[in-house]
Amino acid sequence: SAVISQKPSRDICQRGTSLTIQCQVDSQVTMMFWYRQQPGQSLTLIATANQGSEATYESGFVIDKFPISRPNLTFSTLTVSNMSPEDSSIYLCSVRGSGNTIYFGEGSWLTVV
Amino acid sequence: KQEVTQIPAALSVPEGENLVLNCSFTDSAIYNLQWFRQDPGKGLTSLLLIQSSQREQTSGRLNASLDKSSGRSTLYIAASQPGDSATYLCAVEHTGNQFYFGTGTSLTVIP
Repeated sequence: SAVISQKPSRDICQRGTSLTIQCQVDSQVTMMFWYRQQPGQSLTLIATANQGSEATYESGFVIDKFPISRPNLTFSTLTVSNMSPEDSSIYLCSVRGSGNTIYFGEGSWLTVV
Repeated sequence: KQEVTQIPAALSVPEGENLVLNCSFTDSAIYNLQWFRQDPGKGLTSLLLIQSSQREQTSGRLNASLDKSSGRSTLYIAASQPGDSATYLCAVEHTGNQFYFGTGTSLTVIP
């Protein structure tokens, strides 16, 4: 299994500011995934982050709004830029473990006011 | 595009009952299917993974089945307990790391 730590767990942010979420894994992984879960909805994949290359963004998500870093095989960050109330969500980092099982962090619950 | 639907959206049962949660998907060309549990304000915990070549997986009181041809999966929970109260999500994976999640079934087990 993989243990994933996310920071911050919760934050209240002012409109127009940016926040960086950190994701730390206890083992080396090739791919890390960033998801958004808006209130009452299911998960939507934002991007896939591979170490040493640019992140791959899903339709509807752009690098200027959600820049991602992946400096090594155990760590990634997601920045939510120029936040608006519509960005209030849980942001989740996940990795693929052995046997194709997907593991998730505890999530970062952002409220934009 | 794959669409994943979970029915019912919410379910309330008395403790000790057996129950079934349903997941349906429109594109049967899946790589695998996973069931997750999500507690309020928390991340997801993987419960069971079924590869596309498998029909079912079991873990303790949980049994998940997969019928690719009909685009359906079920999660069976035996002898439910209050600690089982959570939202249960299913997710299908296609090749190329494409994941599609259902909207979940919110389960409440009443003591």
